[in-house]
Amino acid sequence: KAGVTQTPRYLIKTRGQQVTLSCSPISGHRSVSWYQQTPGQGLQFLFEYFSETQRNKGNFPGRFSGRQFSNSRSEMNVSTLELGDSALYLCASSPRDTLAGGLREQYFGPGTRLTVT
Amino acid sequence: QKEVEQDPGPLSVPEGAIVSLNCTYSNSAFQYFMWYRQYSRKGPELLMYTYSSGNKEDGRFTAQVDKSSKYISLFIRDSQPSDSATYLCAMLTGFQKLVFGTGTRLLVSP
Repeated sequence: KAGVTQTPRYLIKTRGQQVTLSCSPISGHRSVSWYQQTPGQGLQFLFEYFSETQRNKGNFPGRFSGRQFSNSRSEMNVSTLELGDSALYLCASSPRDTLAGGLREQYFGPGTRLTVT
Repeated sequence: QKEVEQDPGPLSVPEGAIVSLNCTYSNSAFQYFMWYRQYSRKGPELLMYTYSSGNKEDGRFTAQVDKSSKYISLFIRDSQPSDSATYLCAMLTGFQKLVFGTGTRLLVSP
């Protein structure tokens, strides 16, 4: 089975711009989560989707949003980029329903490295 | 104070050593405890998860949870250079609040 894929792998944007990141989960996985990883804060949970519905959300401002499509692929959008948004954005998929413990068994993609200048 | 604390390391050991990686936490609502391994330029890889207190073994890896002390450990026996990576602990409450540690960098020298 192919793993979780994320595109693009690297991205450079300017402050104030917006960005959209894409994630394709492992085939058959319907739960997709997004994370931000930085050296100072580590891995922080952004949100989780299951069957096109947001089931869980972390403590991030409204500039961070996401969605999931009927084929389980997911996109994450960040508007009005700030320098502090520079990070590795990771997507993870799970074979479990969120309410059946999807967050405890996740498979991560390689991430998208976003640099904001 | 962070909910989950993890020493960033690096932890350097010789090949064959037993490695002990640890996390402490403050939120008594955490029920599930996970360990991930992350190689450079890769996403984290789930090693194992445990529920509540006790031990769980998988090959050379043993996860241990002590809820009374709010302390979890991952032991790696017969460590190999290929084990060199960053190890992340993660914890989950029953209400699906998920928190990761910042990771411990492990270096195993041949």
